[in-house]
Amino acid sequence: NAGVTQTPKFQVLKTGQSMTLQCAQDMNHEYMSWYRQDPGMGLRLIHYSVGAGITDQGEVPNGYNVSRSTTEDFPLRLLSAAPSQTSVYFCASSKRTGGGNEKLFFGSGTQLSVL
Amino acid sequence: GDSVTQMEGPVTLSEEAFLTINCTYTATGYPSLFWYVQYPGEGLQLLLKATKADDKGSNKGFEATYRKETTSFHLEKGSVQVSDSAVYFCALSTGNQFYFGTGTSLTVIP
Repeated sequence: NAGVTQTPKFQVLKTGQSMTLQCAQDMNHEYMSWYRQDPGMGLRLIHYSVGAGITDQGEVPNGYNVSRSTTEDFPLRLLSAAPSQTSVYFCASSKRTGGGNEKLFFGSGTQLSVL
Repeated sequence: GDSVTQMEGPVTLSEEAFLTINCTYTATGYPSLFWYVQYPGEGLQLLLKATKADDKGSNKGFEATYRKETTSFHLEKGSVQVSDSAVYFCALSTGNQFYFGTGTSLTVIP
């Protein structure tokens, strides 16, 4: 069972380039989310989705775009990469019960460097 | 807003020592509380959780009790092993969002 799959694992971009980080889950989870992990700051929520066609902003959404056209996929787009977006990115999904979330399942992460 | 405050590390312990990692939270409503663990090069994995006051979560010898009166969810283990070396994150969930602490790095030496 694959769980949450993120691609690529590593990426180097030049300032101003755009790219898409892919995330797919095969657990039929309604909830999907993107975090960035920076030293000393823990995980910060970028965007999340509670179902196909529904997305919302998290704590640090600027410079990122998301869409949710299917239950399985939740890509994260960097519109114009900046050095401040150098980070490790994690996708996570969860089953929703009673309006809340059960535990998060995490992908293995994407290490992004912007030069 | 909702937040989690976690003791800073790094923490270095000898094998078989007692572990405590402090976590306090601020939340409106009634959050669920979690401890996640991250091994090098991997994503986070759920270690344990508690969904209401006075609940105790436990897994792999780790325990944490949901204390509403002190808004705390401290992680404890009676005897750590080298294999417990990892980064530990306290987290809370209210509705649609999870909030994570900054993480505590634990190194256990033989």
